[in-house]
Amino acid sequence: GESVGLHLPTLSVQEGDNSIINCAYSNSASDYFIWYKQESGKGPQFIIDIRSNMDKRQGQRVTVLLNKTVKHLSLQIAATQPGDSAVYFCAELTGGGNKLTFGTGTQLKVEL
Amino acid sequence: DTGVSQDPRHKITKRGQNVTFRCDPISEHNRLYWYRQTLGQGPEFLTYFQNEAQLEKSRLLSDRFSAERPKGSFSTLEIQRTEQGDSAMYLCASSFDGRGSDTQYFGPGTRLTVL
Repeated sequence: GESVGLHLPTLSVQEGDNSIINCAYSNSASDYFIWYKQESGKGPQFIIDIRSNMDKRQGQRVTVLLNKTVKHLSLQIAATQPGDSAVYFCAELTGGGNKLTFGTGTQLKVEL
Repeated sequence: DTGVSQDPRHKITKRGQNVTFRCDPISEHNRLYWYRQTLGQGPEFLTYFQNEAQLEKSRLLSDRFSAERPKGSFSTLEIQRTEQGDSAMYLCASSFDGRGSDTQYFGPGTRLTVL
């Protein structure tokens, strides 16, 4: 069946360090992946996406890497800031492109 | 603010009561989605609309749940005879299908507490 999972439930990093959040997916037919950031009491906020015809995509301080061979996705945040503290979800577009399947999330804590 | 909006942000109700939530999508977005999120979990898909048409419903959406999008703009989600297990954050998202983008943008959610 389809599943999107995360390796670590909590990640603590020092301010200024780089953060790497990992995600594994099981549906080899998946062709679109999204990373969301969710702060306490708020809805998920779009960060970056990637399609299966790419293996890397960069945004502002964020990079998403896709390894289709091992069905692995990662989010890299450069120079992590206190404002980056949140839960990060990877999500997979499924159902013919009509619904997102989310993992359980990784809590990122930035230590000063 | 041109993002997705939801009302109310919080709702406390007693078991057995009916509740209704509203979602206003981003202007011109033709797709609207409802998700449910419980504590510590990722959002789970409930249903989605393409314009006025409800095209898919999750098995999570029991007979007590109904969603509408009568004019293809705002949407309502009603839960009848609420149960304590319905306590969750109800999230709405919207997207525009037609520009090669599948990005779904989420609203702030409605947190439901059933006593």
